[in-house]
Amino acid sequence: EPEVTQTPSHQVTQMGQEVILRCVPISNHLYFYWYRQILGQKVEFLVSFYNNEISEKSEIFDDQFSVERPDGSNFTLKIRSTKLEDSAMYFCASSALGQGVAGELFFGEGSRLTVL
Amino acid sequence: RKEVEQDPGPFNVPEGATVAFNCTYSNSASQSFFWYRQDCRKEPKLLMSVYSSGNEDGRFTAQLNRASQYISLLIRDSKLSDSATYLCVAPRAGNMLTFGGGTRLMVKP
Repeated sequence: EPEVTQTPSHQVTQMGQEVILRCVPISNHLYFYWYRQILGQKVEFLVSFYNNEISEKSEIFDDQFSVERPDGSNFTLKIRSTKLEDSAMYFCASSALGQGVAGELFFGEGSRLTVL
Repeated sequence: RKEVEQDPGPFNVPEGATVAFNCTYSNSASQSFFWYRQDCRKEPKLLMSVYSSGNEDGRFTAQLNRASQYISLLIRDSKLSDSATYLCVAPRAGNMLTFGGGTRLMVKP
């Protein structure tokens, strides 16, 4: 069964450092997303990406965040200067159709980010 | 009202019981809704979509009440493996999905 894969599974970093989280979405999917989940809290939308550009972003996705699809398979989330409050599980997801239309998002297993 | 609101639980039920969760939403323009399941420290996985009046899949039934702006999830004949957190999901304006905080279900032998 095709799946979304994410690396690393866990990253520990110092406050102020840059972090890049990597994702390989399902190959024939067109929409890509990043969500995050702070421990014990709800899943929160960060950004959606379609046709090589950001289609939507939430208020969480400020100038410290950026996304890129550097080649035909990878989808990355960069946090430029990490803060303590960025500690969370970051989920990448992909879908064949837009999430508001069909709703089935396929999530990766997540990258746990710990900022010290 | 919060965009998507759920009772966090936990709901503790014996095997074989029927259990129901409700979820309220604030955006009256929303057309489609979803229930996702999330196991502890794992990724969410789609359980069911709810587009009009409801949807049934085996032991699971989801219903939508537009007048009162809530959706429900009914699980019949609960199994131990149903123990998880159930996330109610509704669209925001545009293409964003908003997740509720989840309802935790624990099915006991």
